[in-house]
Amino acid sequence: GAVVSQHPSRVICKSGTSVKIECRSLDFQATTMFWYRQFPKQSLMLMATSNEGSKATYEQGVEKDKFLINHASLTLSTLTVTSAHPEDSSFYICSAQEMDRGVTEAFFGQGTRLTVV
Amino acid sequence: KNEVEQSPQNLTAQEGEFITINCSYSVGISALHWLQQHPGGGIVSLFMLSSGKKKHGRLIATINIQEKHSSLHITASHPRDSAVYICAAHRSNDYKLSFGAGTTVTVRA
Repeated sequence: GAVVSQHPSRVICKSGTSVKIECRSLDFQATTMFWYRQFPKQSLMLMATSNEGSKATYEQGVEKDKFLINHASLTLSTLTVTSAHPEDSSFYICSAQEMDRGVTEAFFGQGTRLTVV
Repeated sequence: KNEVEQSPQNLTAQEGEFITINCSYSVGISALHWLQQHPGGGIVSLFMLSSGKKKHGRLIATINIQEKHSSLHITASHPRDSAVYICAAHRSNDYKLSFGAGTTVTVRA
């Protein structure tokens, strides 16, 4: 199956700094990527839909100025957590979808564990 | 009510036992995914189903479109199967995924 690579897998940063997380589709072109957040013992929560060449679409309640998404190419989307606070500590996962013969399959990155101290 | 409901929430089995996880959904879907998440956090896609049944090794996934229900079976379970299993419905109206809450499976040796 297709591969989605997410980097870094773990990051610790100080409050007030910004952190960038990269999501790459390695062997297919992804016009759309999705960013999720997962709190402990909970399922994935969609934060935003990243569209290549256009602005991201954010879910209700997600601050677009805090979680900056850039999808500059068909293989790379980035999520930047700006002015990080301890409450931003979480597990962030990206996914990319590939349409194959009319069926859309989803592939997930390995996730990034963000800890803000 | 969540669009995707999974049961049970937690499951403990002895090695070798047959395990079943159930998933019901209330939205129109183009496909249904079964995902596996290990304690490290990474997610692996096990199956994508739009009809019928799929088998991969000791894992079997079935879906009944009319009843809006899917099951994941693990035959001859092994401790390495211990993980969180997540059902995700690919919504046909906007192609976004709706996730179940996950089933934490623990297989004891």
